[in-house]
Amino acid sequence: SQQGEEDPQALSIQEGENATMNCSYKTSINNLQWYRQNSGRGLVHLILIRSNEREKHSGRLRVTLDTSKKSSSLLITASRAADTASYFCAHRTPGGGNKLTFGTGTQLKVEL
Amino acid sequence: NAGVTQTPKFQVLKTGQSMTLQCAQDMNHEYMSWYRQDPGMGLRLIHYSVGAGITDQGEVPNGYNVSRSTTEDFPLRLLSAAPSQTSVYFCASSSQGNQPQHFGDGTRLSIL
Repeated sequence: SQQGEEDPQALSIQEGENATMNCSYKTSINNLQWYRQNSGRGLVHLILIRSNEREKHSGRLRVTLDTSKKSSSLLITASRAADTASYFCAHRTPGGGNKLTFGTGTQLKVEL
Repeated sequence: NAGVTQTPKFQVLKTGQSMTLQCAQDMNHEYMSWYRQDPGMGLRLIHYSVGAGITDQGEVPNGYNVSRSTTEDFPLRLLSAAPSQTSVYFCASSSQGNQPQHFGDGTRLSIL
């Protein structure tokens, strides 16, 4: 499979805690993207980090990128019940021009 | 601004039937794509289009056809439905293939 991998597959935390999800990939990239999917809905783009960036912030989201290790992490700080969703990373498909390949996702559950 | 609209939201077919899943976007995006999402497998690219009149195969194209006669519309046709095509289908659009994608809310398809 050409898909990236996220870990953990599932994560359960208490409201107010931080949640960290990791993504690994196998090829060169020009950017890496993170998406959220609420149950029964389509994916929503969260943040894009370019290959020459190491860290990016958006509100309570912090994304890091380590191109030498071919990995990225998504940190959600001070989590809320509304953050309960699946989170996916996506990157350019190996040898596939401008197509995106999505990982298998991390299911996050934030409990009250 | 509706974004990406998919119809129908739910469909049940019998093996061997054909049908068309509709996708329309109002953002004047050149790039459109179809994915299927199965449990534990993330999103897999079926077909994509980089502009009107241009389509190409993704990772899992067998059993599906597409056409792109206008910038706005990108229908997905199941030629002869099989139980293995039971899945949730998502249409997405973006300005370019490796840029943030805008997703519809999906079509949940069951093949009996």
